[in-house]
Amino acid sequence: NAGVTQTPKFQVLKTGQSMTLQCAQDMNHEYMSWYRQDPGMGLRLIHYSVGAGITDQGEVPNGYNVSRSTTEDFPLRLLSAAPSQTSVYFCASTASGGETQYFGPGTRLLVL
Amino acid sequence: DQQVKQNSPSLSVQEGRISILNCDYTNSMFDYFLWYKKYPAEGPTFLISISSIKDKNEDGRFTVFLNKSAKHLSLHIVPSQPGDSAVYFCAAGFSGSARQLTFGSGTQLTVLP
Repeated sequence: NAGVTQTPKFQVLKTGQSMTLQCAQDMNHEYMSWYRQDPGMGLRLIHYSVGAGITDQGEVPNGYNVSRSTTEDFPLRLLSAAPSQTSVYFCASTASGGETQYFGPGTRLLVL
Repeated sequence: DQQVKQNSPSLSVQEGRISILNCDYTNSMFDYFLWYKKYPAEGPTFLISISSIKDKNEDGRFTVFLNKSAKHLSLHIVPSQPGDSAVYFCAAGFSGSARQLTFGSGTQLTVLP
């Protein structure tokens, strides 16, 4: 049972480049979320999804897009990377009716 | 404005002693609180939670206390072990809305052998 997986583990981008951070879970969880972790800021919610085809914005959504075409996958897209998006990104999933979020191992992103 | 605050960025404790990690929140509507533990290069893992209808929850060496009037919760680890060395995040949310958690900035706990 892999749980929540994220790829890549580490990525370097130049300003203006685009990329997609992948997230997948094999627990059949309905809820999935993306967070970013910055020093001294804790984890901040970027976007979340309550099920396939349904997404909504979190606390810091600007510069990011998401889609949820299947229950398993929840990719996060950076359309035009900026240095301010240098961070560690975590994907999480939660079972319907559950209160505990299960996190992936994270993607470390550096934007030059 | 941070709704969940962990004012101590770091804490060092001797092995075998008690570790007390503190967390304050400002939104009185929060009714569900969690602690997560994070090792370097890994994602946070759930540790323990408490509902606002309780003031204490225990799980082995870990106990969370909630003081609603003070909007304060704390995590006690007894006895502390070197393997407990990690960053601890406090999080708050609304029961039935697990997708929206507000996290504190974390406390780095170091347990000295």
